[in-house]
Amino acid sequence: DTAVSQTPKYLVTQMGNDKSIKCEQNLGHDTMYWYKQDSKKFLKIMFSYNNKELIINETVPNRFSPKSPDKAHLNLHINSLELGDSAVYFCASSPNGPFTFFGQGTRLTVV
Amino acid sequence: QKEVEQNSGPLSVPEGAIASLNCTYSDRGSQSFFWYRQYSGKSPELIMSIYSNGDKEDGRFTAQLNKASQYVSLLIRDSQPSDSATYLCAVNPLRNTDKLIFGTGTRLQVFP
Repeated sequence: DTAVSQTPKYLVTQMGNDKSIKCEQNLGHDTMYWYKQDSKKFLKIMFSYNNKELIINETVPNRFSPKSPDKAHLNLHINSLELGDSAVYFCASSPNGPFTFFGQGTRLTVV
Repeated sequence: QKEVEQNSGPLSVPEGAIASLNCTYSDRGSQSFFWYRQYSGKSPELIMSIYSNGDKEDGRFTAQLNKASQYVSLLIRDSQPSDSATYLCAVNPLRNTDKLIFGTGTRLQVFP
């Protein structure tokens, strides 16, 4: 199946831990993103990469570090997790332009 | 003022009716506009895009854009219970970026 796939789908962890979310797309898109959707369903961009190069870095704590080993992968590493980091994190990709296709999301719960 | 504003709803319409969802945006330089549908617990799914003033139709969906009024709307004709979802308006605010600014979404409920 052609898709944006991310793992894990659910992640429950304690405050202070470090965790990673992986994302892969086989759509051949050049641009990949991380978006965060909070408990009020507000969806906001965090980062975008174009062909492994960081393009957009919104005001995100530097505990969040994206890494793109190649243009088909964009992983998100989060250090020292806090309660407020609990949200659904969506990986997404797009070809040239803002058409954006989302992965299924990772629901992160920090306890 | 929020960059993209939507009424959170819920908007309740009977099956077969027309559902009208509205969105306003603050950046006059915005270039392209999108409607996403998000079912509960699922990811946003792109259903419509529009770039020029006027109407764009795709099946039961019509997107309308009025750049002078900074207004985008989505009409769903012959609404079905399966259309019940949250509809997110998204705006690409600047030329040459792929960033999308989302509204908070309008929850649509279509009852039989």
